[in-house]
Amino acid sequence: DSGVTQTPKHLITATGQRVTLRCSPRSGDLSVYWYQQSLDQGLQFLIQYYNGEERAKGNILERFSAQQFPDLHSELNLSSLELGDSALYFCASSVKGAGDTQYFGPGTRLTVL
Amino acid sequence: DAKTTQPPSMDCAEGRAANLPCNHSTISGNEYVYWYRQIHSQGPQYIIHGLKNNETNEMASLIITEDRKSSTLILPHATLRDTAVYYCIVRAAVYTSGTYKYIFGTGTRLKVLA
Repeated sequence: DSGVTQTPKHLITATGQRVTLRCSPRSGDLSVYWYQQSLDQGLQFLIQYYNGEERAKGNILERFSAQQFPDLHSELNLSSLELGDSALYFCASSVKGAGDTQYFGPGTRLTVL
Repeated sequence: DAKTTQPPSMDCAEGRAANLPCNHSTISGNEYVYWYRQIHSQGPQYIIHGLKNNETNEMASLIITEDRKSSTLILPHATLRDTAVYYCIVRAAVYTSGTYKYIFGTGTRLKVLA
């Protein structure tokens, strides 16, 4: 158990809909990272937040957005969902934002029908 | 960004050492090598990391060549629970934001055989 929690574990929705994935980092960690893992793409970095501020962006679509709240939990919002958005979404956290080890949560499996 | 190359799959007999190679020939001087593993579709689990020197912890050993172009993860006594996909990752600096990002490759699927 890494100490990172993600909800929900599974999410099934329809194309065109909007969903929100939630992540709670390990106690004391200030940085949160979001990754997408689809069958044909492997693990792709989406975005990082550090202490409430966006720190780095990866391959995140404009339909996706994220934020980190004052209590340090983070939410990933996915809108106008397409079939290709079906994937595992992982959150990771680290103590600071630069150079320390990331610890991953159990993931949310999103299925878009 | 430095890329990593790993064999797609390997088998290892239970109780024997599993040696997983990784090539990262374009790695820069300040880029660390990290190893994670993913069992089924669970979240990736941190194993070990290093910069230049060999490292050992309770899970594994990491051997990095002197030129830093390749490394080997060693699981000294593999068990069936070590069956997983193992990712060798270069932690690359994102200079514009002063942070770092992980670049995941396709990993090695290790199967430990009874």
